[in-house]
Amino acid sequence: ETGVTQSPTHLIKTRGQQVTLRCSSQSGHNTVSWYQQALGQGPQFIFQYYREEENGRGNFPPRFSGLQFPNYSSELNVNALELDDSALYLCASSFGAREGTDTQYFGPGTRLTVL
Amino acid sequence: DQQVKQNSPSLSVQEGRISILNCDYTNSMFDYFLWYKKYPAEGPTFLISISSIKDKNEDGRFTVFLNKSAKHLSLHIVPSQPGDSAVYFCAASAPQKLVFGQGTRLTINP
Repeated sequence: ETGVTQSPTHLIKTRGQQVTLRCSSQSGHNTVSWYQQALGQGPQFIFQYYREEENGRGNFPPRFSGLQFPNYSSELNVNALELDDSALYLCASSFGAREGTDTQYFGPGTRLTVL
Repeated sequence: DQQVKQNSPSLSVQEGRISILNCDYTNSMFDYFLWYKKYPAEGPTFLISISSIKDKNEDGRFTVFLNKSAKHLSLHIVPSQPGDSAVYFCAASAPQKLVFGQGTRLTINP
């Protein structure tokens, strides 16, 4: 069974640029959630995709957007990067839309630095 | 507003002793809780969970206790081992998302 994978591992961008992060979900999972983890904080929910549609969104501006593909892999896109976007971005996969007890399994994350 | 709080940023425990990590929550609608462990440069790893219909769940050296009236849960690790040194996150399940605490860094001393 293949776990959750993310690419790239690290990324450095400058303010105002755009970035795309990628995630492959665990085998058999159809739901992908994205989280932002700032230094010294717990992960914060960005949004979730279930069967290729957005299924919930946290308090993040519209310049954070995403996609889910038919194979359930996913992308997180961030436009007009700001310094505060520097963080670890985590992808998590699970089976079924989040209605209660589906455990989410996390990838290793992408460390984004905005200069 | 911080709906899930881990008030101890760090905890140091001697190898072989019990480690107790605490977590408080404010939203009484939360009915499922999870603990994750995170090593540097890795994603969070699921450890153990508990439903609000239970007050205790065990898995090997790990036990989670839930006190719904106090809106408090705790993770007990017995005996503590050096490999347990990591950051531990408490999370509450809400529709479509997990709500995480800030984490507690556990250090196991030989």
